[in-house]
Amino acid sequence: DTGVSQNPRHKITKRGQNVTFRCDPISEHNRLYWYRQTLGQGPEFLTYFQNEAQLEKSRLLSDRFSAERPKGSFSTLEIQRTEQGDSAMYLCASSYLPSGEETQYFGPGTRLLVL
Amino acid sequence: AQSVAQPEDQVNVAEGNPLTVKCTYSVSGNPYLFWYVQYPNRGLQFLLKYITGDNLVKGSYGFEAEFNKSQTSFHLKKPSALLSDSALYFCAVRDMRGATNKLIFGTGTLLAVQP
Repeated sequence: DTGVSQNPRHKITKRGQNVTFRCDPISEHNRLYWYRQTLGQGPEFLTYFQNEAQLEKSRLLSDRFSAERPKGSFSTLEIQRTEQGDSAMYLCASSYLPSGEETQYFGPGTRLLVL
Repeated sequence: AQSVAQPEDQVNVAEGNPLTVKCTYSVSGNPYLFWYVQYPNRGLQFLLKYITGDNLVKGSYGFEAEFNKSQTSFHLKKPSALLSDSALYFCAVRDMRGATNKLIFGTGTLLAVQP
């Protein structure tokens, strides 16, 4: 078990293009979170999965964003028609329920730059 | 509203001296509090958490944090700073509304340890 992994680590794209990021959580972690971090800010919650079910989405997640977690394992975050304001670090975290004291463990992040 | 405040954008400390990174919180009910550290272009690494019990929590790399309910604070401390402690530190509180357990982060404090 090597922790949460994310791919790619960096992505440069042109405005209007679609991008997709992948997150592989720690094995057997049934909770998965996506956060977004912009320069000089702390991470902000985007969306949450428990197993394969997406149970909450932030208002930050516009209709250009979609996330999936098929089979309750890895997750993908897709951004359609990217805008310059989407430039940020996208972080994935996983945790195990039913631990009442669950800790979220983060991946290294995917840094997106939209030109 | 539930929130976390880190009043200092940057803390400077000499190597070998004790360090403190401040955090205050605002939540309804009993807080679940966390500290994470972020190195350049990396994800967040978990340091420690307070759920219940002793007000002094010990974590990774010699860090500890003191929970103070009356002052709604959760300051991060270390008796002797190392150059390698230089990084960005985030305080977070679990959002107790709903069952998501998402984290609400502060804006971060840059710790600079000088030789």
